Amino acid sequence: EAGVAQSPRYKIIEKRQSVAFWCNPISGHATLYWYQQILGQGPKLLIQFQNNGVVDDSQLPKDRFSAERLKGVDSTLKIQPAKLEDSAVYLCASSIRRGQGVEQFFGPGTRLTVL
Amino acid sequence: SQQGEEDPQALSIQEGENATMNCSYKTSINNLQWYRQNSGRGLVHLILIRSNEREKHSGRLRVTLDTSKKSSSLLITASRAADTASYFCATVPRGTSYDKVIFGPGTSLSVIP
Repeated sequence: EAGVAQSPRYKIIEKRQSVAFWCNPISGHATLYWYQQILGQGPKLLIQFQNNGVVDDSQLPKDRFSAERLKGVDSTLKIQPAKLEDSAVYLCASSIRRGQGVEQFFGPGTRLTVL
Repeated sequence: SQQGEEDPQALSIQEGENATMNCSYKTSINNLQWYRQNSGRGLVHLILIRSNEREKHSGRLRVTLDTSKKSSSLLITASRAADTASYFCATVPRGTSYDKVIFGPGTSLSVIP
């Protein structure tokens, strides 16, 4: 079974520039998550999709971050314009339900450096 | 906001020793999960314990859950150098209609050969 794919793996940009990340979840997984992980911290949920609808974007800085999930499969996360504090690893995950619980599968992440 | 808090923040042990990490959380949960993250690699799901369970085992891992204290512990027995990683507890809050997963700040474990 193929895992969660993300690209690019690394990105370096200047502040105020734009950047986009792509995620392809595991086939058949209805739920897709984007997390931001700052060095030394745990992942912070930015946005969660159920199929192609947003179920939680309460911690997404909507003035600069946007995300979409086309046809309930692939997803893109965009930052425009980027700030220095956006430097982090952006993790995409998809999930399935196992019994009473949910198990997430994570991609390798995109490491963003904003200069 | 982060629901869980791991303790300690960092732990260093000798190979062969046991490692114990604790997690405390704030609100009622459906289940609690532990994940591992190796340096430069992605997060990997280790074990899930439901709110009506008290203890669960998987290989060298033992997880306990005390819902009255809103806390969990992860025990890794007979540690190996390959166990060096960051360990995160993640909770699924009760009352959400979707599978929201909230991570704590993690414990960094170093196993010295």
